[in-house]
Amino acid sequence: GAVVSQHPSRVICKSGTSVKIECRSLDFQATTMFWYRQFPKQSLMLMATSNEGSKATYEQGVEKDKFLINHASLTLSTLTVTSAHPEDSSFYICSANEGPNYGYTFGSGTRLTVV
Amino acid sequence: AQSVAQPEDQVNVAEGNPLTVKCTYSVSGNPYLFWYVQYPNRGLQFLLKYITGDNLVKGSYGFEAEFNKSQTSFHLKKPSALVSDSALYFCAVRDIKNTGFQKLVFGTGTRLLVSP
Repeated sequence: GAVVSQHPSRVICKSGTSVKIECRSLDFQATTMFWYRQFPKQSLMLMATSNEGSKATYEQGVEKDKFLINHASLTLSTLTVTSAHPEDSSFYICSANEGPNYGYTFGSGTRLTVV
Repeated sequence: AQSVAQPEDQVNVAEGNPLTVKCTYSVSGNPYLFWYVQYPNRGLQFLLKYITGDNLVKGSYGFEAEFNKSQTSFHLKKPSALVSDSALYFCAVRDIKNTGFQKLVFGTGTRLLVSP
């Protein structure tokens, strides 16, 4: 079945630095990818939707300049957390959709800790 | 907007007993409903989905869900629970934004604890 690879699985960075998280669809082309954030013991919050070759669509309240999303190819989307702060520490999960009548495949998530 | 509700934060069941994790939905139009499972520090794994067809949907790991239009429910079930089924379960509905993008809207999740 469809596989989405997310890397890194865990990252610790210093406050003020930037971190890039990659999300790759391994055996299918993902025209649309989604980035979620999950707080402890809470549900997934959609941050943005990215379409290959166009600008990402951000959900209300998500800072575009802080969470940069690039979907440069049909198999790769990246999320860059810029000038990270401790409050950005969270679990980030990407998801890819093959098309309108297909399911959604999730990456294994990235645990970001900003110290 | 489409939404799903999971009324139980946690469900406890003994191994070998049947389990039910509840989900109700609110949609305009035909619902596309999903169940996912999440193990600690992992992404979500797809269990099953309902788009159309039979109301009883069979999925992975012996799980099934029943689509009930009159009750607007999509409860997840398994006849005999395993300790390894202990995890966080999410119900989700597909929402189509006015931009044409499709996204999943998740419920708040239900933690399932299966005791030996």
